[in-house]
Amino acid sequence: SQQGEEDPQALSIQEGENATMNCSYKTSINNLQWYRQNSGRGLVHLILIRSNEREKHSGRLRVTLDTSKKSSSLLITASRAADTASYFCATETNSGNTPLVFGKGTRLSVIA
Amino acid sequence: GAGVSQSPRYKVTKRGQDVALRCDPISGHVSLYWYRQALGQGPEFLTYFNYEAQQDKSGLPNDRFSAERPEGSISTLTIQRTEQRDSAMYRCASSLTSGGTHTGELFFGEGSRLTVL
Repeated sequence: SQQGEEDPQALSIQEGENATMNCSYKTSINNLQWYRQNSGRGLVHLILIRSNEREKHSGRLRVTLDTSKKSSSLLITASRAADTASYFCATETNSGNTPLVFGKGTRLSVIA
Repeated sequence: GAGVSQSPRYKVTKRGQDVALRCDPISGHVSLYWYRQALGQGPEFLTYFNYEAQQDKSGLPNDRFSAERPEGSISTLTIQRTEQRDSAMYRCASSLTSGGTHTGELFFGEGSRLTVL
């Protein structure tokens, strides 16, 4: 089963524009992580935000978390063609000994 | 090693055969995860270990699937009597911290692509 659902499923933007992807989840979490996957490759961790945090930054990435709405967003500023990839959110629920569960992902295409 | 290593990278087998997929995690990493990923989908959880102990195998589709990590390092995912529906990319990941509560960053391998004819 998948806890997180990304929105939109696919996003196409011009280089230099900002890209925003959203993730909604169903049950209370300990933390939420975002991963990136280039076509056919392994997933790469981008950022982790804990349930008591509201916003985190890492370079051109900004992640927000709203636990009241059970949602998170990933913002990539000043996008580049190299940002073209699939982006996944992954959640760890706080209901006990549970694994990290991934959503279906957002496919981002950045056009040069 | 420098990263998570999976072998074989590609495996083609005939229906009914058994296959074993190997994962060599980053040295010293406590937890090890197995996921399965269909094309265009996110990774689907199969099972995970903290050290040699299998913590959760609720994601294994049926009893043809099993996994072990006997010495708390290398893990093997075994699929018995393979079926065409088992065809997928199987991904392994490891983490420095124990999984299940406040899981940290996962480091993924490149995966093992299984094709069952």
